[in-house]
Amino acid sequence: AQTVTQSQPEMSVQEAETVTLSCTYDTSENNYYLFWYKQPPSRQMILVIRQEAYKQQNATENRFSVNFQKAAKSFSLKISDSQLGDTAMYFCAFSNTNAGKSTFGDGTTLTVKP
Amino acid sequence: DAGVTQSPTHLIKTRGQQVTLRCSPISGHKSVSWYQQVLGQGPQFIFQYYEKEERGRGNFPDRFSARQFPNYSSELNVNALLLGDSALYLCASRPRRLAGGPYNEQFFGPGTRLTVL
Repeated sequence: AQTVTQSQPEMSVQEAETVTLSCTYDTSENNYYLFWYKQPPSRQMILVIRQEAYKQQNATENRFSVNFQKAAKSFSLKISDSQLGDTAMYFCAFSNTNAGKSTFGDGTTLTVKP
Repeated sequence: DAGVTQSPTHLIKTRGQQVTLRCSPISGHKSVSWYQQVLGQGPQFIFQYYEKEERGRGNFPDRFSARQFPNYSSELNVNALLLGDSALYLCASRPRRLAGGPYNEQFFGPGTRLTVL
């Protein structure tokens, strides 16, 4: 069974600064996907960024980038130029080729301060 | 295009009762998954259905059941409710992945907040 661990229950960052959220996972599979989801106070979960395990290049989506260390089973999210709208709960998640059966961490509450 | 919709938004039940939650996937999506999100925790996988067949079940008791209809909408049923069933229930849909095709992400609905008193 896969497990996902987010060791930072809460974090805060000043607007326009950079913050990094940590995630570690455990799996015996070789082909899998890792995700960061954002869940704002309105509750709708949305995908922020995705990383395929077979790709060595770290994924980037605008201000969001990841540091994927496969051997260490680490998958951190870096948010650059933080904005007030980034305030949300962030979940790290793992899935094999079937995204419909994902395993989530317990989340990190990020607060962006003006 | 409409996203994943869920009903009702909120629900209050008492212990021992039964509840049915409903989900309509994005048009064209044939896979529906259900997750339970207890306050302060991440979502936990309950069920996945594809083309009306169960494709996966998480570590939940038999009090939890689900089904998918010909129009790909889905219902989650929970019998003999316990206080611990209080949670946000999320539905997610995803399109069919073609062999060799790109990875398909899942799209979440807004959830149904169930409170068991």
